[in-house]
Amino acid sequence: DIQMTQSPSSLSASVGDRVTITCRASQSISNYLNWYHQKPGKAPKLLIYVASSLQSGVPSRFSGSGSGTDFTLTISSLQPEDFATYYCQQSYSTPFTFGPGTKVDIK
Amino acid sequence: EVQLVQSGAEVKKPGESLRISCKGSGYSFTSYWISWVRQMPGKGLEWMGRIDPSDTYTSYSPSFQGHVTISVDKSISTAYLQWSSLKASDTAIYYCARAGSRNWFDPWGQGTLVTVSS
Repeated sequence: DIQMTQSPSSLSASVGDRVTITCRASQSISNYLNWYHQKPGKAPKLLIYVASSLQSGVPSRFSGSGSGTDFTLTISSLQPEDFATYYCQQSYSTPFTFGPGTKVDIK
Repeated sequence: EVQLVQSGAEVKKPGESLRISCKGSGYSFTSYWISWVRQMPGKGLEWMGRIDPSDTYTSYSPSFQGHVTISVDKSISTAYLQWSSLKASDTAIYYCARAGSRNWFDPWGQGTLVTVSS
């Protein structure tokens, strides 16, 4: 199985901050990397697919980059509705696997 | 609007069987795989397996193979996740999700909470 790691596991930030979350795969996954966020009591929501494509309806302050084993999700200016847990997911091979999550909360 | 609507919360006893459902609407149901994802209380996301509604081909994570069964009734655009004998450790929220062309998941169902307790 491909193992996914994320860093940091949590972070505190203020509205307006630039936030970067890193995801690493245990082997090369090309650009088969997707990002989601999940708010308490809600289902996950797709933000970025195939590493850098912005899902329709997702604000442009979200962006993704990377290929191979190292990927990043950047929020250019954190908004109140962005406080959530963020997960990466590899879709290169089954079993598809998720990172352990990064919780973004209010400083 | 593309939507997946899941069945309601369940409370079961250990050893009981259960089937939960996920109904798709707003798109061609047989054109996209459906995956199931588990989230145990306070934990992260775990991919369980998937089904191709067009031919009912299934693929399971080794962690869940033999413990659950994924099926589909394409006549009513509904996918299912079932257990023949629940355990307390099956207590979790279960999500269904539609897979995109490179297996990103969108949209997700609202989740079904399954509680297994004696």
